[in-house]
Amino acid sequence: KQEVTQIPAALSVPEGENLVLNCSFTDSAIYNLQWFRQDPGKGLTSLLLIQSSQREQTSGRLNASLDKSSGRSTLYIAASQPGDSATYLCAVLSYNNNDMRFGAGTRLTVKP
Amino acid sequence: ETGVTQSPTHLIKTRGQQVTLRCSSQSGHNTVSWYQQALGQGPQFIFQYYREEENGRGNFPPRFSGLQFPNYSSELNVNALELDDSALYLCASSWRTSGRRTKTGELFFGEGSRLTVL
Repeated sequence: KQEVTQIPAALSVPEGENLVLNCSFTDSAIYNLQWFRQDPGKGLTSLLLIQSSQREQTSGRLNASLDKSSGRSTLYIAASQPGDSATYLCAVLSYNNNDMRFGAGTRLTVKP
Repeated sequence: ETGVTQSPTHLIKTRGQQVTLRCSSQSGHNTVSWYQQALGQGPQFIFQYYREEENGRGNFPPRFSGLQFPNYSSELNVNALELDDSALYLCASSWRTSGRRTKTGELFFGEGSRLTVL
């Protein structure tokens, strides 16, 4: 059974800092991995999708990497801004089912 | 391009009642997945619908049921509501190509329906 863990649970940084959010998963037989952003009380916004054959994806100030062999993904946010404050969730889709498994998220606060 | 829309946005029910939540998928998408998100937790997979049939189910009892319509919109029905059913219910749509071994691509979520059971 796929388990997804995100560390840290919460993170507070000053504006302008570069930061890394971590996601680990127990079963390396994944189909894809997706990073989302969630603002309080809102739905999820897709940030980046990495297919199992890819090592990384980039969008603007965001870069996500994937290392299946170690069961890890990282989301790198460059030059953080207060508007980046939100909860960031990673989710993994395995080959053997249609159940996308989510971590509990990292709550990020970027202070002006 | 129209995104995923859900209704209602908020609702309050009492124990034992029944609720129906609705979801319109993003244009061009043919697959709908439903998730339950309790406060402070990640979303939990309820089930997925593809070609109007259930195509995978999480660890939820049969009182959670669903439908997908020919226009790919979907409903989530919950019978005999319990206090623990209070949560944010999220709908996600995606595109899946035909074929037994294919899987869905990127998920796009709606804003959710906040259900409170008293």
